[in-house]
Amino acid sequence: NAGVTQTPKFRVLKTGQSMTLLCAQDMNHEYMYWYRQDPGMGLRLIHYSVGEGTTAKGEVPDGYNVSRLKKQNFLLGLESAAPSQTSVYFCASSYYKEQFFGPGTRLTVL
Amino acid sequence: AQSVTQLGSHVSVSEGALVLLRCNYSSSVPPYLFWYVQYPNQGLQLLLKYTTGATLVKGINGFEAEFKKSETSFHLTKPSAHMSDAAEYFCAVTSTGGSEKLVFGKGTKLTVNP
Repeated sequence: NAGVTQTPKFRVLKTGQSMTLLCAQDMNHEYMYWYRQDPGMGLRLIHYSVGEGTTAKGEVPDGYNVSRLKKQNFLLGLESAAPSQTSVYFCASSYYKEQFFGPGTRLTVL
Repeated sequence: AQSVTQLGSHVSVSEGALVLLRCNYSSSVPPYLFWYVQYPNQGLQLLLKYTTGATLVKGINGFEAEFKKSETSFHLTKPSAHMSDAAEYFCAVTSTGGSEKLVFGKGTKLTVNP
């Protein structure tokens, strides 16, 4: 089992560019999450999904969109990147409340 | 809303000394409680969890935590620190309302000195 994987691992964007981060899990979990991690801020929930075809806003959803077209995939989109979105992004899936994390994507917006 | 407080954003101990990382939560309803560890440039991995039953929970790498309902605490301990324990540690609790979501503390970075 690969667990939770994230693509890409690193990315540098210019302000205003768009991109999509891909999260995939092979554990057949219903719930999936996108977090951002910033120094001193811990993990903050961006969006989450309780099953295929569903999405919901988390704590810091502005500037991000998500889609869950397939159960195993959860995509995070930035339509117009801003320097404030420079962060490390983690995807997770959960089963009986235990969350399993991917390795992260380090995004820099110049 | 549920909240989690981790006392001390940085903790420094000597190799072989006791490790104590503190976590308090706000809910009066006993939640599920977790400790995750994050090594540099990696994702978070589960260290241990409390769901129901025995309040002293043992995890990986010699760590354990005790759920104290009266103190709304779930402190993480290890009797003897090892250099490899240097990492950031996050306490998390289940959100209210029966959701699968977790609320994370801001993290405690543990440094182990030789």
